[in-house]
Amino acid sequence: QVQLVESGGGLVKPGGSLRLSCAASGFTFSDYYMGWVRQAPGKGLEWISYIWTTRSGYTNYADSVKGRFTISRDDTKNSVYLQMNSLTAEDTGVYYCARRAGYCDRITCYIYMDVWGRGTTVTVSS
Amino acid sequence: SYVVTQAPSVSVAPGETAFITCGGSSIGSKRVHWYQQKPSQAPVLVIHSDDDRPSGIPERFSGSNSGNTATLTISEVAAGDEADYYCQVWDGSNEHLVFGGGTKLTVL
Repeated sequence: QVQLVESGGGLVKPGGSLRLSCAASGFTFSDYYMGWVRQAPGKGLEWISYIWTTRSGYTNYADSVKGRFTISRDDTKNSVYLQMNSLTAEDTGVYYCARRAGYCDRITCYIYMDVWGRGTTVTVSS
Repeated sequence: SYVVTQAPSVSVAPGETAFITCGGSSIGSKRVHWYQQKPSQAPVLVIHSDDDRPSGIPERFSGSNSGNTATLTISEVAAGDEADYYCQVWDGSNEHLVFGGGTKLTVL
């Protein structure tokens, strides 16, 4: 079945770096845009990044992580990654990998996340 | 950037109907998507594109969107529906996904 499995979370000191991975299965990974959403402890969902297919390579980031985080993908490994640098306590939370679905027509866009992983926890603390 | 707002909590008795709203400027011109998140679990898409249900989601879940308010309606609420519900839209000005702050549904 369709599945996303995140890994790479852990404890890191402020200013440090971490690389998250997300392994996909059960669908043609190369055909889909992928993204990351995080959730701080006791808080709501925050979209942080997505990447289009390898053919275009287009990426986009939330203002809160732009310039510090980099999303990438490897279609040969059915995986998407999130390189996180210059981490602060505000980056602490559960990071979810998700498959982006939908499309845009001439009028509006129907963009949402239709499949989610179970998440990996990142803790930034000294 | 676009902002969507949700009430922090909604309470409803078992068997009744819950209405969870998502407010935003002319949100009726956008497409709204809804996610359910139970404690310590990943979010699950329950409604997309205002009123479409993914396969496997009960017909008790429905959505509507008009003017400045989108609504997730859950009929015949049961204890298993207790969860946080998030609305989400696409902000075309910066091509970002925007989530509401979430509404905690309590079944009395």
